[in-house]
Amino acid sequence: DTAVSQTPKYLVTQMGNDKSIKCEQNLGHDTMYWYKQDSKKFLKIMFSYNNKELIINETVPNRFSPKSPDKAHLNLHINSLELGDSAVYFCASSQTHSGELFFGEGSRLTVL
Amino acid sequence: GQQLNQSPQSMFIQEGEDVSMNCTSSSIFNTWLWYKQDPGEGPVLLIALYKAGELTSNGRLTAQFGTTRKDSFLNISASIPSDVGIYFCAGQLTNTGNQFYFGTGTSLTVIP
Repeated sequence: DTAVSQTPKYLVTQMGNDKSIKCEQNLGHDTMYWYKQDSKKFLKIMFSYNNKELIINETVPNRFSPKSPDKAHLNLHINSLELGDSAVYFCASSQTHSGELFFGEGSRLTVL
Repeated sequence: GQQLNQSPQSMFIQEGEDVSMNCTSSSIFNTWLWYKQDPGEGPVLLIALYKAGELTSNGRLTAQFGTTRKDSFLNISASIPSDVGIYFCAGQLTNTGNQFYFGTGTSLTVIP
């Protein structure tokens, strides 16, 4: 059983398109995150949701819109894709006060 | 956001050698985590540390939570080829909505 799963694993698209990445966790955690990893491998937090409520929104363009239909899912929708959006996007989850963060396998987005 | 300084940035070692890397911050963290990322995969949690001065082992890996709570260390003994990857430290500030901040990563290459 995959604890944190995200789809698709690879996404190649043209500039200006809109795309979504889905994430699900079966760990029963109450907090989910989206991280962006650039070509230099820096892991930068984008959003954090706790029990479906937005907790953290780190200076991310409003073309990025997270949606959490329930606490086991956190999807990421990106409008009007730009070349600089090319990166690997990681979903992660944790349980408040547990001190541990678990990652999905990543979704590699390439914008042409 | 918080910036964790991780060093060294990269290491090239012979199989069988020991490895040390560290992570420092200007902030005090309540939790320190160490991850390993293989190519094309998500970061995998290796060790979690919860108390200042704590020393925890996971096989050939040993990590320590610095006594100032602003740093952490990871040692790998008797390295083997499968230790190759990028190692990340992460710190958690529980007064910021369970946000996890990541170090810049240490790329480890083990030469057989």
